[in-house]
Amino acid sequence: AQSVSQHNHHVILSEAASLELGCNYSYGGTVNLFWYVQYPGQHLQLLLKYFSGDPLVKGIKGFEAEFIKSKFSFNLRKPSVQWSDTAEYFCAVIAGGTSYGKLTFGQGTILTVHP
Amino acid sequence: GAVVSQHPSWVICKSGTSVKIECRSLDFQATTMFWYRQFPKQSLMLMATSNEGSKATYEQGVEKDKFLINHASLTLSTLTVTSAHPEDSSFYICSARPGQGRETQYFGPGTRLLVL
Repeated sequence: AQSVSQHNHHVILSEAASLELGCNYSYGGTVNLFWYVQYPGQHLQLLLKYFSGDPLVKGIKGFEAEFIKSKFSFNLRKPSVQWSDTAEYFCAVIAGGTSYGKLTFGQGTILTVHP
Repeated sequence: GAVVSQHPSWVICKSGTSVKIECRSLDFQATTMFWYRQFPKQSLMLMATSNEGSKATYEQGVEKDKFLINHASLTLSTLTVTSAHPEDSSFYICSARPGQGRETQYFGPGTRLLVL
C-alpha cells in the first residue's frame, strides 16, 4: 500500500521568509499528487495538483510544487509567506491502477507565520 | 462552484445512541463520495468509498456494521455511527468527486462527534 510522508510536523516562519514543505510518497507506478490546505476552522481546500506534464505546478495564492519522480517527492514552495498562510498543509497521493481515486494523506504540516 | 456541505457541524450524544451525518454536494453531482476520520493532530484516514446506488467499500479495519454508509442519490451520502461509544469521538470529513478516476475531490467542512 502506498504511504505519504511529510517531513515536518510544525514549521514556524516570519513573514516574507521562503517556505518549502517536504513530501515523499512510496509507490512505484503512476501517481497523481495533491497539496491541500486547511485554514483554522475551515475545510480542506485544494492548493494545487499534478496529474501529468510539466512537473513544476503552480497553484493558488502563490504556491508551487515540483514533482521529482526519481526522488518520489512533491515538495511545496512559496517564495515569501504571509501571516494569512498560517494553516495546516496536507500532501496527498492517488496511486494508479485499481485504487479508484483513493487519496492517501500525509501526516500534515502545521505552518505558523509570525507577522 | 464545487461546494460540499456536511450536517451537523458538531454533535454530542450519549454512549449507545446512533448518529447520522449528512454529506451533500451542492452544485455538482457526485458519483463517488468518500468518508474520512481525523483524530487530533493526525492525518485524515479514509474510512470508506461510496458510489451512488451501490454498497460502500470499506477500508481495512473499519467496521461496516458500525459505520453505515448510504449513497442514495448523486448529491447525498450519509454516515451513521451506530451504537456510538466514546472511542468513536472524532472529526468526520466527507469528500465528493464529480467523475470517475482521479479527478479532484472536494471536501466538506467536517462534523465533530463527541460521545459521552
